[in-house]
Amino acid sequence: DAGITQSPRHKVTETGTPVTLRCHQTENHRYMYWYRQDPGHGLRLIHYSYGVKDTDKGEVSDGYSVSRSKTEDFLLTLESATSSQTSVYFCAISVAGPNEQFFGPGTRLTVL
Amino acid sequence: GENVEQHPSTLSVQEGDSAVIKCTYSDSASNYFPWYKQELGKGPQLIIDIRSNVGEKKDQRIAVTLNKTAKHFSLHITETQPEDSAVYFCAAVTGTASKLTFGTGTRLQVTL
Repeated sequence: DAGITQSPRHKVTETGTPVTLRCHQTENHRYMYWYRQDPGHGLRLIHYSYGVKDTDKGEVSDGYSVSRSKTEDFLLTLESATSSQTSVYFCAISVAGPNEQFFGPGTRLTVL
Repeated sequence: GENVEQHPSTLSVQEGDSAVIKCTYSDSASNYFPWYKQELGKGPQLIIDIRSNVGEKKDQRIAVTLNKTAKHFSLHITETQPEDSAVYFCAAVTGTASKLTFGTGTRLQVTL
């Protein structure tokens, strides 16, 4: 998985609780992305980062925030989880913008 | 924004036959078109990509064609093998948006 790890790999939580997912890369790539994958929707971009402390919103960013204080780590936070955020979350990295993105193994999140 | 449609949603072929998956995109400014393969429980894996200045690209049993006029691109897999069974996603990048937009996926099953 191109030097990308995601933690946790599985998580079950309750509605209203905060959740943080971590993406860690060993490639020192500038660009990092968070996607969610749901049946019938493919992968949809939540947030992305183009450098330390530089982030921007994707198409489904409501209810999510991100932080990147180090090149190697990109955190996705659900401030108050809802059942609609039950999904599989993937992190991706790339050297040069949106082209040639490489994905991590994913985190399966269930919000009860 | 960009919209990517992918067909068919499921495809079953016999081992040794060819498989073709088609995608259309809406933004004529799109300039990069990757294809990803996703096996069960894993993250998407980049298998081939094509840029807008090229009409066709091959890599062993896999080829991708691009028709910019019609705004569609296709993945061709020849001599299919059971290990080709997976979900395949197409995607497109528009330079101005600098984001990947994915199709909804095709589940390919290669039967013996």
